[in-house]
This record gives sequence, structure tokens and C-alpha cells, in this order.
Amino acid sequence: GAGVSQTPSNKVTEKGKYVELRCDPISGHTALYWYRQSLGQGPEFLIYFQGTGAADDSGLPNDRFFAVRPEGSVSTLKIQRTERGDSAVYLCASSLMGLEYNEQFFGPGTRLTVL
Amino acid sequence: DQQVKQNSPSLSVQEGRISILNCDYTNSMFDYFLWYKKYPAEGPTFLISISSIKDKNEDGRFTVFLNKSAKHLSLHIVPSQPGDSAVYFCAASRTGTASKLTFGTGTRLQVTL
Repeated sequence: GAGVSQTPSNKVTEKGKYVELRCDPISGHTALYWYRQSLGQGPEFLIYFQGTGAADDSGLPNDRFFAVRPEGSVSTLKIQRTERGDSAVYLCASSLMGLEYNEQFFGPGTRLTVL
Repeated sequence: DQQVKQNSPSLSVQEGRISILNCDYTNSMFDYFLWYKKYPAEGPTFLISISSIKDKNEDGRFTVFLNKSAKHLSLHIVPSQPGDSAVYFCAASRTGTASKLTFGTGTRLQVTL
């Protein structure tokens, strides 16, 4: 079966522009997560969805960041007025709800570069 | 505040020998721990996990040990193989909910011939 997919794999944009990053989770996975990984660091949590709703958005750094999952499957992470400090690899992960243990499956990431 | 720490940024081990990767955590609410392996340009891949009700979990060449009193866990790989060369991340979470993972900064393992 297909794993988590993310598009685009690379995105280069200019400071101040708007970007959208897409995530397709594993079919049947109701939990979806976004993480951000900067150079030399581990992934840092941004937001997670249970179904269509954002159950925890405590990791979003500021109001320029927003994510949606309108039909409970595909999710889009949106970044407004991008800044150079937003440059990082954005990782998406999904997992099955209802399991006792929370094993998350990651996509390959989108490398965002803000010039 | 780094709640999950991997104090060794890199480790080099000879093929066939044991690799030991260490991880410390500070948040006593964590009760589920995972190790992920990451190759360049790929997402992290789940390797092995352990619940706080256990102190050891084994899967083939990989064993994870948990010392709750010391808030310390370790991943043992034996025997090490060149294909094990990657960055290893320790992560922690709380069971019962589909909650976020808190990751360490990773340890780069190089298995030499």
C-alpha cells in the first residue's frame, strides 16, 4: 500500500510570498500531523488533526501558519508572508486512531527555501 | 527547553560490533518511546518502540532498554551492518491519545567496514 506522500518535494519562494504544502496520508489513517525540521534538529511538532478538526495546534509558531483538512484525508499547510526563518523541511505523518500506541508514519517531506 | 536529549551527535562503529545510542528525557508524563531512523532526503522510518510498563523490547537486531528512574533509554543494534548508517531519532509521547511526538536532535551512526 502507498505510504504518506507530500508535494512538492522542494519549494523555493521569495520572502513575503504565500506557499501551500500538501500531504496525502495513508488511507484509513484518521490522525494527521505536521512537523518542521530545521538543520541539525529533530522534527518539531506543529499541528495535529483528528479527522477534519485540528485537535492540537499548539506548535504553530505564529498566525502566519495555518493548516486545513476539509474532508478528513488530504491536508494543506499554508504559510503567509514567508520569512527566511521559515526555511526547513516540513514533514507530514499519519497514524491510526484507536490504537493503544501511537506509531506515526512519515512522508518524505517538503524542503522549503525562502530567499 | 529540550525535553528529549540525544547528547551524542555522532557515533562510529565497526561492522559486526554493537551500536549503542542513548537518549534522556525530562518530562515524567512521557510513557511511550520510539526510535526512528532517517536516511538523507527521506522521512523518518519507525524502528522500534517501548511502553513505560516494560524495561526492554526486542525486535531482531534491535533492542530498546528503558530506565524510568533515570529517565533514560538506549537503542542497541547488534550486529551492526553498513546499511544501519543513518541518523537515529529518539521520540517520546503519552499513550491513550493520538498525541504529538517530541523528538531529540538525533545521532548520526556510521557503520564502517
